[in-house]
Amino acid sequence: GQNIDQPTEMTATEGAIVQINCTYQTSGFNGLFWYQQHAGEAPTFLSYNVLDGLEEKGRFSSFLSRSKGYSYLLLKELQMKDSASYLCAVRGGNRDDKIIFGKGTRLHILP
Amino acid sequence: DTEVTQTPKHLVMGMTNKKSLKCEQHMGHRAMYWYKQKAKKPPELMFVYSYEKLSINESVPSRFSPECPNSSLLNLHLHALQPEDSALYLCASSPAGESATDTQYFGPGTRLTVL
Repeated sequence: GQNIDQPTEMTATEGAIVQINCTYQTSGFNGLFWYQQHAGEAPTFLSYNVLDGLEEKGRFSSFLSRSKGYSYLLLKELQMKDSASYLCAVRGGNRDDKIIFGKGTRLHILP
Repeated sequence: DTEVTQTPKHLVMGMTNKKSLKCEQHMGHRAMYWYKQKAKKPPELMFVYSYEKLSINESVPSRFSPECPNSSLLNLHLHALQPEDSALYLCASSPAGESATDTQYFGPGTRLTVL
């Protein structure tokens, strides 16, 4: 079966660093995505990993270990506007396999 | 043009009404998607069109009928919906090219309320 796990909620302080973990079990693997979604808005693309390692993009970084079925999203210098849900999503093994979304992690930023 | 647009933003309909949701992109993407999202839940895939052909139907009830008139447009026709169909309906598109980095870009969604 297909399963994606991430924490339901996290809280962090403005200016700090937070790491959101995601573990997955899927039939094959063809890429992992992180999306940000503010309440009532559409998801917006943050990052994509298909090879092991760290991808850095400004304040956000994403890491992947395919052998462990594990990824994390690292957010640095947190700002109040980073309060949102963060969705981990995995594309299965076939080229046309659909993307499966995790349930999302609601991140609360405190001043 | 680097965005996916959806109309209307909000829609309220009765259970006997017929309405349509529209989605448009001009990024040359060849795959388009409909998702349904309930509050505090992740998006659930409904349909995928690849090169204007329906490639995935996630066992969606027939009261939802997708249509892809051309590579830039995607419609979702609604008929005889139930109150539990009230949700945010998201359209997305992706390049569907040779690269495996087929990122989906989402539209702003249509907030649907069925009375």
